[in-house]
Amino acid sequence: AQSVAQPEDQVNVAEGNPLTVKCTYSVSGNPYLFWYVQYPNRGLQFLLKYITGDNLVKGSYGFEAEFNKSQTSFHLKKPSALVSDSALYFCAVRDRSSNTGKLIFGQGTTLQVKP
Amino acid sequence: GAVVSQHPSWVICKSGTSVKIECRSLDFQATTMFWYRQFPKQSLMLMATSNEGSKATYEQGVEKDKFLINHASLTLSTLTVTSAHPEDSSFYICSASRQGANTGELFFGEGSRLTVL
Repeated sequence: AQSVAQPEDQVNVAEGNPLTVKCTYSVSGNPYLFWYVQYPNRGLQFLLKYITGDNLVKGSYGFEAEFNKSQTSFHLKKPSALVSDSALYFCAVRDRSSNTGKLIFGQGTTLQVKP
Repeated sequence: GAVVSQHPSWVICKSGTSVKIECRSLDFQATTMFWYRQFPKQSLMLMATSNEGSKATYEQGVEKDKFLINHASLTLSTLTVTSAHPEDSSFYICSASRQGANTGELFFGEGSRLTVL
């Protein structure tokens, strides 16, 4: 069965410091991996995705994520956090063999950036 | 870009009434649309997968007669919550997969907050 785990319910970081939001996954085949961000009472906004190629993926708003196949992880990172980055972050996975387009989401991690 | 519009953003209704939520892909054709339900501070729960011109595929535990989904065109899917009750109050989010994009991300609507009194 496919699953995504975000081990931290909340991550707190000071503005200007680097941030990491963790994600590990379990799929039967090779995955497509995604990160989304959600602001209060809003839908999800796409940040970045890993399909193939370079393990380090750069996305919107200065975010990046590193695909680590051996550790089955896809942690989200940003070198310098902004207060405006405070939001709910979701990691998602899709099995390459799936033709439904269905994404499996992690439980979400609340990022709190304090000034 | 790929824009998904969801309407209404907020709806309050009386118990026993039905509510329709629309999800439109504005600048692309969406072969598949997905409907999610989200409880406060929780993840998205997939309710159903909607394919244009065919019946929706519901996830286990989701009542198909309660949550009617119609995907009449490549740009429009609707979710109707029939005979709504207070426990149906939730945040409903749709997403769309761009036609022909096998590896693509999903594009999400802004969500619809349903409150049943």
